[in-house]
Amino acid sequence: QKEVEQNSGPLSVPEGAIASLNCTYSDRGSQSFFWYRQYSGKSPELIMFIYSNGDKEDGRFTAQLNKASQYVSLLIRDSQPSDSATYLCAVITTVRGGADGLTFGKGTHLIIQP
Amino acid sequence: DTGVSQDPRHKITKRGQNVTFRCDPISEHNRLYWYRQTLGQGPEFLTYFQNEAQLEKSRLLSDRFSAERPKGSFSTLEIQRTEQGDSAMYLCASSLARENEKLFFGSGTQLSVL
Repeated sequence: QKEVEQNSGPLSVPEGAIASLNCTYSDRGSQSFFWYRQYSGKSPELIMFIYSNGDKEDGRFTAQLNKASQYVSLLIRDSQPSDSATYLCAVITTVRGGADGLTFGKGTHLIIQP
Repeated sequence: DTGVSQDPRHKITKRGQNVTFRCDPISEHNRLYWYRQTLGQGPEFLTYFQNEAQLEKSRLLSDRFSAERPKGSFSTLEIQRTEQGDSAMYLCASSLARENEKLFFGSGTQLSVL
């Protein structure tokens, strides 16, 4: 059973629209959730984290968490071509017996069309 | 020092050879992680250190892989008797122990085994 699942895409969104990226996870004990952005050929970069149910906003980014549904999402408002990248959902799971280390999804490839 | 540094950026080797990679974390970070990433996949956890102690290794990590962090600063990852399946991007990340889920990644070492 995969621990963190994402649609690999590509997800194509016109410039200026809202991009919505989704992620589900299998471990109900998970407490911490992260979104990393990875440009092609580059390393992942942390852009958002969320620990509590509800929404968390940071600039054009909003992370949403629903622990009952085991679902976390990332919204990007006023999307720009520079937002084109792969977005990795990551979760701290308890399956390894501790809270150390992240389990990543495969990532969603986002393309913002000018 | 503004980030995690990895060396070399690229390594091409023949099957059966040994390779060693180096990672220099952000100076005040006491946790150091190694991840592996293949095309179209998210980073896969390999091992991590807190200071010089190796606290966890992935069950997927072959005994051909060994990592050290002798003085609690830089770390090395060695792969012995490389196989074509070892071809991947090897990513190092570091964090503060009190913020262990906020990882800062290096640029990675791209390994190609011929």
